This record gives sequence, C-alpha cells and structure tokens, in this order.
Amino acid sequence: EPEVTQTPSHQVTQMGQEVILRCVPISNHLYFYWYRQILGQKVEFLVSFYNNEISEKSEIFDDQFSVERPDGSNFTLKIRSTKLEDSAMYFCASSEPFKYEQYFGPGTRLTVT
Amino acid sequence: GQQLNQSPQSMFIQEGEDVSMNCTSSSIFNTWLWYKQDPGEGPVLLIALYKAGELTSNGRLTAQFGITRKDSFLNISASIPSDVGIYFCVRMDSSYKLIFGSGTRLLVRP
Repeated sequence: EPEVTQTPSHQVTQMGQEVILRCVPISNHLYFYWYRQILGQKVEFLVSFYNNEISEKSEIFDDQFSVERPDGSNFTLKIRSTKLEDSAMYFCASSEPFKYEQYFGPGTRLTVT
Repeated sequence: GQQLNQSPQSMFIQEGEDVSMNCTSSSIFNTWLWYKQDPGEGPVLLIALYKAGELTSNGRLTAQFGITRKDSFLNISASIPSDVGIYFCVRMDSSYKLIFGSGTRLLVRP
C-alpha cells in the first residue's frame, strides 16, 4: 500500500541553524501539508500546498518557514533559523484531488538545543 | 469557535471492554473525521463522516455524526491491546486543512 515517507526520523540541531525536513508524498496525490505536534499537545496545521504554491498557512508559519517541491516527488519544509520552541514532531500529509482523506507520514522529531 | 473538546482526556480499560469517547464543538461542521495516533507514529484515518446523523462502522469501530452537526462519538467494541493510542476527532475546514481536537489517550490493560 502506498504511504507517505519522511526523512530524517530524528533531527537534532543547534538554535539558529537551518534545517530541511523531507517528505515523499503518495505519488498520485496533488495536495500536500505540513503539521506539527509539540510533545504532549495536539496536532497543529502549518501549511498547505497545491499547484506549486502555498494555499494556506497558519500564524505559526512565519518568515522563518518555507516549503518547496523541488522535483516531482519530494516536498520539503525549511526552517531558516531554528528556535528552541521549534522542537516538535513534524508531520507531512498528502491527499488526492477533491478527496477529504489526508494520509500522514511517520513524522520527523526535531530537537533544537 | 474552532475548538474541538474531546472527552475523556484519557481512559485506562481492561482488554475486552467497550470504549466510548466523544467530541463537541460550538460550531457546525460538514465533515467529521476520527484519526488514531499510535505511539511514535503519524495519525491514521479511522472513519470519515459527511452527513448529520450518519453512523459508520469500520470493524470494531463505530462513529456517528451528531444530528446538530456539533458533536460526534466513537465507540470501540471488545478492546484489544493494539487499540492503545491517542484518538483525535478532527474537523476539516473549507480550505481542506485539518483542525485536531485535544485527543483521548487510550490505555488497555491485558
């Protein structure tokens, strides 16, 4: 069964460093999303992406964040200058056109020290 | 208005017991989803509800979309150890982003 994959599974970085989190969505999906989950809290929407542009972003998704689909398969989330409060699980999700169901990857645990 | 209130926050039950959890909101929704998150994993869709009053089953799981469109419940019958995890009720807004509830953590005692 096709699935969303994410790399790395765990990333440790120092405050102020840039990180890039990678996702490979399911191949026939056209809508892509990033969510995050701070430890012990609920999952929060960050950004949605369709047709090579951002469809919507939350207030969490400030100028330090960016997303890109550099080729036909990868979808990346970049954090330019990480802060301690960026430590969280980051989930990528994708969905088919005009379908409600979003399929989530296993997540990348980001730890900022 | 966008908050989803889930109860209970956590449950610790004996294997074989039935489980019921619910979710309420002050806003009306058109789509209600239930996701499960296993420890260390991403959320997985369990059941999707699209119409008020709709009752849908997926194996031992049953969910209903409330008539008022402001609530939903999820039942699990004859719980087993692999039911352990966090259950989220989730709404989808008009732009297709998902809004998660606070979750119900389920622990099953073998």
